[in-house]
Amino acid sequence: GAGVSQSPSNKVTEKGKDVELRCDPISGHTALYWYRQSLGQGLEFLIYFQGNSAPDKSGLPSDRFSAERTGGSVSTLTIQRTQQEDSAVYLCASSQYALAGGTQYFGPGTRLTVL
Amino acid sequence: GESVGLHLPTLSVQEGDNSIINCAYSNSASDYFIWYKQESGKGPQFIIDIRSNMDKRQGQRVTVLLNKTVKHLSLQIAATQPGDSAVYFCAELGGTSYGKLTFGQGTILTVHP
Repeated sequence: GAGVSQSPSNKVTEKGKDVELRCDPISGHTALYWYRQSLGQGLEFLIYFQGNSAPDKSGLPSDRFSAERTGGSVSTLTIQRTQQEDSAVYLCASSQYALAGGTQYFGPGTRLTVL
Repeated sequence: GESVGLHLPTLSVQEGDNSIINCAYSNSASDYFIWYKQESGKGPQFIIDIRSNMDKRQGQRVTVLLNKTVKHLSLQIAATQPGDSAVYFCAELGGTSYGKLTFGQGTILTVHP
């Protein structure tokens, strides 16, 4: 596609429920990234994929968070047993390659609200 | 820990003025820097980047300056327009953190007509 797309654009859920967030990267981009942006804050790295493998999961805040990528394309970020502190905008980005110099292009984000 | 930060959280300018947004970084191993613009409700938009082997790079109305001696990065916007109003983030990549961008907190730029 023309750019990175994410769905849903907004998600409201109740505390304790599981949510899945989807990212479709730019076609041909091998690297995919997830970030989290809390209200009025900068972006916090969560995880990145090179192909289908995730060399760096260091940013995942807890074991309630997981992500997968299949076919080297679409990625899903899953948050289990959501908590109110999970409320944030979740941003996905992709780049042609992961090494320094691979410009990351961002999607519009999914705004998650946990009640 | 290593971080990337901004000196000024807000900047207000008049249309037509030049704007300068500053950023300090602490990781001396950083070798690639990016400026992003984020408008309300949207994802960050790439503006310009620079590698550590350069000290200046110019784009359309924007210039990024890198001073490795004092670990300082700046974004200059010429003839600022109301459409430039947004939050601007610097980000750093490199050392052993390939693939992982570290973002500053952001500067809010407001351009008054």
